[in-house]
Order: sequence, then structure tokens, then C-alpha cells
Amino acid sequence: KNEVEQSPQNLTAQEGEFITINCSYSVGISALHWLQQHPGGGIVSLFMLSSGKKKHGRLIATINIQEKHSSLHITASHPRDSAVYICAVPLIQGAQKLVFGQGTRLTINP
Amino acid sequence: SAVISQKPSRDICQRGTSLTIQCQVDSQVTMMFWYRQQPGQSLTLIATANQGSEATYESGFVIDKFPISRPNLTFSTLTVSNMSPEDSSIYLCSVQTGALNNEQFFGPGTRLTVL
Repeated sequence: KNEVEQSPQNLTAQEGEFITINCSYSVGISALHWLQQHPGGGIVSLFMLSSGKKKHGRLIATINIQEKHSSLHITASHPRDSAVYICAVPLIQGAQKLVFGQGTRLTINP
Repeated sequence: SAVISQKPSRDICQRGTSLTIQCQVDSQVTMMFWYRQQPGQSLTLIATANQGSEATYESGFVIDKFPISRPNLTFSTLTVSNMSPEDSSIYLCSVQTGALNNEQFFGPGTRLTVL
């Protein structure tokens, strides 16, 4: 079983739709990362969160530590949101080494 | 936060040659990491680049194949040696800016194709 599992693997939606990407993990963690990877390969760190909810613009990330689950939401989605979204958790609690999910490929059509 | 640049951004190389990838950070950082992302796969940690000492390699990665240098707190290089088509990947540098802060920042990546 993967330590970090994301769903769905692929998601296609129309511009304006509300998007949810899920991440479940099996190890105890201190923080979870959400990353965005554009087609060129570069990665941008979106959120690091250890509890509750964080919001940045149209992006919202939530985490439930007890259930070992996090969600990334995108409101009013736009074609420029098309990317691969990756969640990552420390290999062991408190460690710097990250274990990455397989990623969710999001395509937003105009 | 930290701004990271990588050179080259992409390259096409012949089998058997070596390529050195550079990672430059705009501020001093405690931890620097090198990751590989093979086509269709997620990221895998290659090694932790240690300033002034040998890198710490993950299982499956060895120094002879992926020599790493870190001469100071803002710069590191990763060399992919004796390349084969299986080395075709995106190579990413990442940094952690503080000893107590687990937030990591990633470079733009180097897309390597080996023919």
C-alpha cells in the first residue's frame, strides 16, 4: 500500500467548476504539503498545513489529522489551474524527507 | 521563502556521457535535496546535499552514479554519470530554509532526455 494516495488520478472539468482533490496517508505526520507541477516540470509549493484549513486566493486546503486525510479545493476554476497537484508528507514524523503522492492531473477546459 | 534556479532547464544527451545540474538559492539554507521524477512517476528523493561533507544517499542511489557537491549554503550540483535512457527524468532541487520549519521550496527542474 502506498504511504500517500491521491484521488482522483485524473480530473477534467469545465471552467468555473469547484474542484476537490483528495489525499490520504498512512504515516503519522506533523505537516502535509500540497504542490503544483506545471507542464514544464517546475514545482510550486502551495500549502504546508498541520491542522485545520488554509486559504490562498481561490485555493483552499484542509486537513484532518485524526482521519489522515487532506483535501485541496479550487473555487471558480480556470484553465490556468491546469496542472498536476501533488500531496507530500514527511517520511517519518518531524522529518524533512518527503514521500509524494502520485499526483492528480487536472485539466480545466474553457 | 526561497527562490531557486536550476541550470540547465533541459538537455538532450548521448548515452554514456555525464551531465552536471546546478542549483542556486537566493539565500542561505540549511537543507538541500535532489529529487528525480521519472516519466509518469512521482518524485523520488535521490540524496540530501550536506554542506562541507558527503551527501546522504537514499536506497537505490549511489555516489558513483549521482555525485553531489555542496560547497556552500546557497549552491549545489548533481551530476548524472554514464547516462542511459533510463536516466531520462526531471531532476529537481529543493531546499528547506530553517531547522524548525519543514516547509520545502522547489526549483524549476531540469528535464533530461538521454538518447
